[in-house]
Amino acid sequence: AQSVTQLDSQVPVFEEAPVELRCNYSSSVSVYLFWYVQYPNQGLQLLLKYLSGSTLVKGINGFEAEFNKSQTSFHLRKPSVHISDTAEYFCAAKDEKLTFGTGTRLTIIP
Amino acid sequence: NAGVTQTPKFQVLKTGQSMTLQCAQDMNHEYMSWYRQDPGMGLRLIHYSVGAGITDQGEVPNGYNVSRSTTEDFPLRLLSAAPSQTSVYFCASSYARDSNYGYTFGSGTRLTVV
Repeated sequence: AQSVTQLDSQVPVFEEAPVELRCNYSSSVSVYLFWYVQYPNQGLQLLLKYLSGSTLVKGINGFEAEFNKSQTSFHLRKPSVHISDTAEYFCAAKDEKLTFGTGTRLTIIP
Repeated sequence: NAGVTQTPKFQVLKTGQSMTLQCAQDMNHEYMSWYRQDPGMGLRLIHYSVGAGITDQGEVPNGYNVSRSTTEDFPLRLLSAAPSQTSVYFCASSYARDSNYGYTFGSGTRLTVV
């Protein structure tokens, strides 16, 4: 069965600093990868997805992620974070079903 | 606005009580699913449906029932609530189970069982 690992449960970052949220998935012949964001007291919103093609995927709100097949990783990055990026971020992988990681809580320090 | 609507937003139940969490979508999505979200455990799939009249179990189905009589609605029933079912519940939908467009999530129901 597919598994998704988010190594960091919490990541504090100063405002306007860069951030990387890490995600690793278990190997699969064919897998689609997603990042979702959950703002406080809200549901999940799709940030970006990798289906095929270019390994660098750009999403909403200035986020991007890079698919690395050899390292089975799909790390999320943003060059300069804002207070409004405070949220929980979930990585997910889909083969037969959609499997979520345990989430990373991003806290922006003013 | 089109999307997934969940009701209620908050609920407190006593152990042994029953209740139904409602989920409705107006996007004509065939696939609908229920997840529970617990601290440190991410989202876990409870039940899902690939179309009206068809339901199946996810990874944590015990204590929950579902039905899908229409394309729009996918209610989740707790027959006899237990404290272990205290959680935040999300309904999600998609064009199809293997859709690569991602899922649309509702805003969640926060359930506390005392």
